Amino acid sequence: QVHLVESGGGVVQPGGSLRLSCTASGFMFSSYAMNWVRQAPGKGLEWVAVISYDGVIKYYADSVKGRFTISRDNSMNTVYVQMNSLTAEDTAFYFCARGHIIGAYFDFWGQGSLVTVSS
Amino acid sequence: QSVLTQPPSVSAAPGQKVTISCSGGSSNIGNNYVSWYQQLPGTAPKLLIYDNRKRPSDIPDRFSGSKSGTSATLDITGLQTGDEADYYCGTWDSSLRIGVFGGGSRLTVL
Repeated sequence: QVHLVESGGGVVQPGGSLRLSCTASGFMFSSYAMNWVRQAPGKGLEWVAVISYDGVIKYYADSVKGRFTISRDNSMNTVYVQMNSLTAEDTAFYFCARGHIIGAYFDFWGQGSLVTVSS
Repeated sequence: QSVLTQPPSVSAAPGQKVTISCSGGSSNIGNNYVSWYQQLPGTAPKLLIYDNRKRPSDIPDRFSGSKSGTSATLDITGLQTGDEADYYCGTWDSSLRIGVFGGGSRLTVL
């Protein structure tokens, strides 16, 4: 069955960097777009970024553009998000979610990884 | 401020029906499929409805979706206490080239 597992979360100081990973299993990873969606504690869902199945096309939310970079390694069945210049507003649970193509619905989600930006 | 607008809360009695609305614009709901997600407390979101009205195989037919113009609706019939959760609509915005969600609606089964 489809399984997505995020890792790499933790506490980071304002201005710092962090890289999250999401490792997939149970499906042909290289055939699917992958997304990152975040949720600040007690708040709603916010879409962050998407990457096409081949890694060529990437789109970002305005709130993270220029600071976050999404990438993937299809040989490792893993999608990443490199987060730089972090601020307190980036504190959230970060979920990876599978999409069949860019712009499609998210049919499977990981359990989430908490990123806390605090001094 | 979410691109899509949902009521913050909805409620109904067990066994009854509830409707959750989701309003957007021509560049998002008006020209793209809508999906709905259920998030139970302390868990990851789960896909409930996709392509406006389709249900994954594990979702009971008590959940149904529809779309008209720039608005979408999620109906839940035969409410159960286990349906208490946050519900989110989502779609793609073709002009902004971003994914968008509603602010979420918290369902209380009285």
